[in-house]
Amino acid sequence: RKEVEQDPGPFNVPEGATVAFNCTYSNSASQSFFWYRQDCRKEPKLLMSVYSSGNEDGRFTAQLNRASQYISLLIRDSKLSDSATYLCVVNLYNFNKFYFGSGTKLNVKP
Amino acid sequence: NAGVTQTPKFRILKIGQSMTLQCTQDMNHNYMYWYRQDPGMGLKLIYYSVGAGITDKGEVPNGYNVSRSTTEDFPLRLELAAPSQTSVYFCASSPLGTGEEKLFFGSGTQLSVL
Repeated sequence: RKEVEQDPGPFNVPEGATVAFNCTYSNSASQSFFWYRQDCRKEPKLLMSVYSSGNEDGRFTAQLNRASQYISLLIRDSKLSDSATYLCVVNLYNFNKFYFGSGTKLNVKP
Repeated sequence: NAGVTQTPKFRILKIGQSMTLQCTQDMNHNYMYWYRQDPGMGLKLIYYSVGAGITDKGEVPNGYNVSRSTTEDFPLRLELAAPSQTSVYFCASSPLGTGEEKLFFGSGTQLSVL
């Protein structure tokens, strides 16, 4: 079983739409959670950390459900520039490792 | 502040050749990682290091070697290149243990083995 699983998409949405991605993780000992954004073949860049109480950064909202072991990312008012692959990342601190989902591709259309 | 620097950006190897991918960071991070990313796939951990002199295998270590003689440098060595090693390689570092469990990435090396 993969440590982190995501729907690969693609999600094709019009500008201005709201879109949500989910991610599940298998290890209940996971301690830190993140969403990274990756543009085609470039390095992943941190979009936001995910906190237990949920957190928001502008049009982006991240939530964590430890009981069900899933993480979500909500993007409101989608922009063309939001088109990218979104990677769910989980850190197992005791094992010094970060595990990546395979990514969810988002295409925002005019 | 340069962050994480990887060289080269692109390389083409013939089967059986060897090469070293260089990675250096100037943030004094103890933790460093090498990932590979195949087309349409997520990142897979090759090797990682928790400090100078300490390295450990990740998910896909076969065909690779690493060393960590200093905090700054974490080179990845391919000894006998194979077509299956065609991929994009990312080096990353993290200040794990300081309350900042983030990954900082280099810009990647696109490697083709023909």
